[in-house]
Amino acid sequence: QVQLVQSGAEVKKPGASVKVSCKASGYTFTSYSISWVRQAPGQGLEWMGWISAYNGNTNYVQKLQGRLTMTTDTSTTTAYMELRSLRSDDTAVYYCARALDIVAADAFDIWGQGTLVTVSS
Amino acid sequence: DIHMTQSPSSLSASVGDRVTITCRASQSISSYLNWYQQKPGKAPKLLIYAASNLQSGVPSRFSGSGSGTDFTLTISSLQPEDFAIYYCQQSYSTPRYTFGQGTKLEIK
Repeated sequence: QVQLVQSGAEVKKPGASVKVSCKASGYTFTSYSISWVRQAPGQGLEWMGWISAYNGNTNYVQKLQGRLTMTTDTSTTTAYMELRSLRSDDTAVYYCARALDIVAADAFDIWGQGTLVTVSS
Repeated sequence: DIHMTQSPSSLSASVGDRVTITCRASQSISSYLNWYQQKPGKAPKLLIYAASNLQSGVPSRFSGSGSGTDFTLTISSLQPEDFAIYYCQQSYSTPRYTFGQGTKLEIK
């Protein structure tokens, strides 16, 4: 079945980096883009950025530019999200999500299970 | 950036009620509007895409409408499993997206 499976929870110190993986299966990886969405404890959803699995093009939310890098590995059908210079307010559950095409308004139809990243000294 | 505002922020209702949640965009977004449901500890689930299209497998009691700046999600007859948080999301500014702040639907 179509699914996205993310890597496990992480605990990091302020200033460190974290890299979360998102393994896709059950569909043609390069035919869809992937977005990353995070959710701080008790808060709403925040879109972080987008990567085309076809050509690697990216687009990041302005507030995270300079700290955020998204990549894909088509040989393993895996997307990655790396966030650097972590701060306490980066503590959140991080989700990857597959986006449908523009006819379906780029809706996120498949989501990973989420990865909790805790930033604490 | 396009800002999305949902109302109400929270809502109490009973099983069987008809419920409407509103989402307003800061500028016209045509029909590039999606709705998600999120239950505690779970990933969001797509309900409606492109303002009014029901995602496969989603019960028909869910419906969406609107275009331009004003959109609604309607649940025609609330079921116990519908108590959750609902989010709208715009995709007009693709590939830059924004979510509404969420509407928490609670049992009365």
